[in-house]
Amino acid sequence: AQSVTQLDSQVPVFEEAPVELRCNYSSSVSVYLFWYVQYPNQGLQLLLKYLSGSTLVESINGFEAEFNKSQTSFHLRKPSVHISDTAEYFCAVLRRAAGNKLTFGGGTRVLVKP
Amino acid sequence: ETGVTQSPTHLIKTRGQQVTLRCSSQSGHNTVSWYQQALGQGPQFIFQYYREEENGRGNFPPRFSGLQFPNYSSELNVNALELDDSALYLCASSLAYGGNTEAFFGQGTRLTVV
Repeated sequence: AQSVTQLDSQVPVFEEAPVELRCNYSSSVSVYLFWYVQYPNQGLQLLLKYLSGSTLVESINGFEAEFNKSQTSFHLRKPSVHISDTAEYFCAVLRRAAGNKLTFGGGTRVLVKP
Repeated sequence: ETGVTQSPTHLIKTRGQQVTLRCSSQSGHNTVSWYQQALGQGPQFIFQYYREEENGRGNFPPRFSGLQFPNYSSELNVNALELDDSALYLCASSLAYGGNTEAFFGQGTRLTVV
């Protein structure tokens, strides 16, 4: 079985400050890794994903995440947040060659303050 | 806008009743997955349909059932509703199963069981 742990349930941060959202997973097999964002009263939007290759992946809106196999982590970072980044962020894993079941963490709510 | 539409957006049901939720997948997508997101938690995988066949199921009882139609739209049916079934139900469509294809989520159906 696999599990995903997001260590922080809420992260308050001031506008233009950096933010890091932590994600650790447990799996005995290789996985794909994802970060999704959920704005209030909306579904999930894919922010970025790691499938293979470079361990550092970036999104178009300034977020980046680094896959660390030895620490089984996939932390999400942004060097300077905006008010519009206020949302809930979910880390998810998918076991390779095991269908399409995404296993999500419990989410981290980011509140950006002016 | 992901092209995945869910209906209805909200509904209220009484304990013991049955409910049907609907999902229209993005054009060209042949795989639909359903997730349950309880308040304050991450989404939990219910099941997935690929070309009209169930292709994987999470830890949900048999009263949760589904269908996929030839046009790849899908239904989630829940019988004998319980109070704990109150949640946001998310549908995700993708071109095929496997993590290297992005899953696009709808905005969800908010079910309240009273």
